[in-house]
Amino acid sequence: AQSVTQPDIHITVSEGASLELRCNYSYGATPYLFWYVQSPGQGLQLLLKYFSGDTLVQGIKGFEAEFKRSQSSFNLRKPSVHWSDAAEYFCAVGATGNTPLVFGKGTRLSVIA
Amino acid sequence: NAGVTQTPKFRVLKTGQSMTLLCAQDMNHEYMYWYRQDPGMGLRLIHYSVGEGTTAKGEVPDGYNVSRLKKQNFLLGLESAAPSQTSVYFCASSTQGGNQPQHFGDGTRLSIL
Repeated sequence: AQSVTQPDIHITVSEGASLELRCNYSYGATPYLFWYVQSPGQGLQLLLKYFSGDTLVQGIKGFEAEFKRSQSSFNLRKPSVHWSDAAEYFCAVGATGNTPLVFGKGTRLSVIA
Repeated sequence: NAGVTQTPKFRVLKTGQSMTLLCAQDMNHEYMYWYRQDPGMGLRLIHYSVGEGTTAKGEVPDGYNVSRLKKQNFLLGLESAAPSQTSVYFCASSTQGGNQPQHFGDGTRLSIL
């Protein structure tokens, strides 16, 4: 069975600074990887997904993520953070078949002026 | 574009009362899911369905029942509500299982007194 770890519970960055949120997964085969964002009081919104091919994936809102098989990682990055990016971010891993996605526990991002 | 709609958005119950949460999707998705979200716990899967007429247990199924009589609807029932079931409940749907992204509703905030 697959699993996913988000090592950082809470991260604070300054507006305009770069951002990297960490995600590590465990799965024996090539995983399907996803990043979601949750703004306060709302549901989860898909930021980007990796299925195969190019290991650098572009998403919405200026986010990107890089799949590194050797490190079992799928870290989320943004070159310049905006105050509106303050939210909770979830990484998820999936596999073929009926098994649902497995979500990490999330990383809360705070943005300061 | 309704997507995934959850009803109601808020509800307060007394211990021992029963209620049903409704999830409706208009994307013709096969798979549907119910999660609960609690502080520091991330998303935990309660039950899911891989198609009309099917249901399966997730990580935390106790105290909940579900039904998928129609493809577009997935109902979550609390037979005898307990304070430990105070949570935010999210419904999601997807075209397939772990190799496709899930689409989320905006949640139902449920308080059990």
